[in-house]
Amino acid sequence: DVKVTQSSRYLVKRTGEKVFLECVQDMDHENMFWYRQDPGLGLRLIYFSYDVKMKEKGDIPEGYSVSREKKERFSLILESASTNQTSMYLCASRDTRPDEDEQYFGPGTRLTVT
Amino acid sequence: RKEVEQDPGPFNVPEGATVAFNCTYSNSASQSFFWYRQDCRKEPKLLMSVYSSGNEDGRFTAQLNRASQYISLLIRDSKLSDSATYLCVVNRFGEYGNKLVFGAGTILRVKS
Repeated sequence: DVKVTQSSRYLVKRTGEKVFLECVQDMDHENMFWYRQDPGLGLRLIYFSYDVKMKEKGDIPEGYSVSREKKERFSLILESASTNQTSMYLCASRDTRPDEDEQYFGPGTRLTVT
Repeated sequence: RKEVEQDPGPFNVPEGATVAFNCTYSNSASQSFFWYRQDCRKEPKLLMSVYSSGNEDGRFTAQLNRASQYISLLIRDSKLSDSATYLCVVNRFGEYGNKLVFGAGTILRVKS
């Protein structure tokens, strides 16, 4: 069974703080993703990584950065948190084999920036 | 225009009803299509892939119309446990691999 874990379920931070969200997967997947989910907007891709130390911007990368130093771990960094980054953050991973369609999600981190 | 559009609902139906969700996508180059299910306060999980010929999995039937860029999900004999948000998902090709584009979801509430 694929398992994707995220470091926190709930997080409250102040405006201007640096925030780290950690994600770990145990299935040796090459691809990992960070999304945010907001009501009415659905899941929007922030960044993804297709290999260790490799990353690509998603649809809404502004205000975020990522780090992938090990294959199993993908971190999302908010350099200076702002109130408009209050959201649910979901990490996901996926195999790159052609017959593997499913993307596996972690349980999410609900971040509140005050 | 959003890349994937869904009716947000909510759809409120009695147990045993048949309910259908629709979804349209704008990128004609999309090749893979899926329905994900998301329970309240939980992560999305793959419900089923959608194939060109249409496919069925128990009470669930998915259809794809490439010409109209339209995807549907039919649920027969609804159960209370079907209550969830259903996300329509299409792939987007990229230089470094496919990425998935999610619709905002359709809420289903099945009532006894």
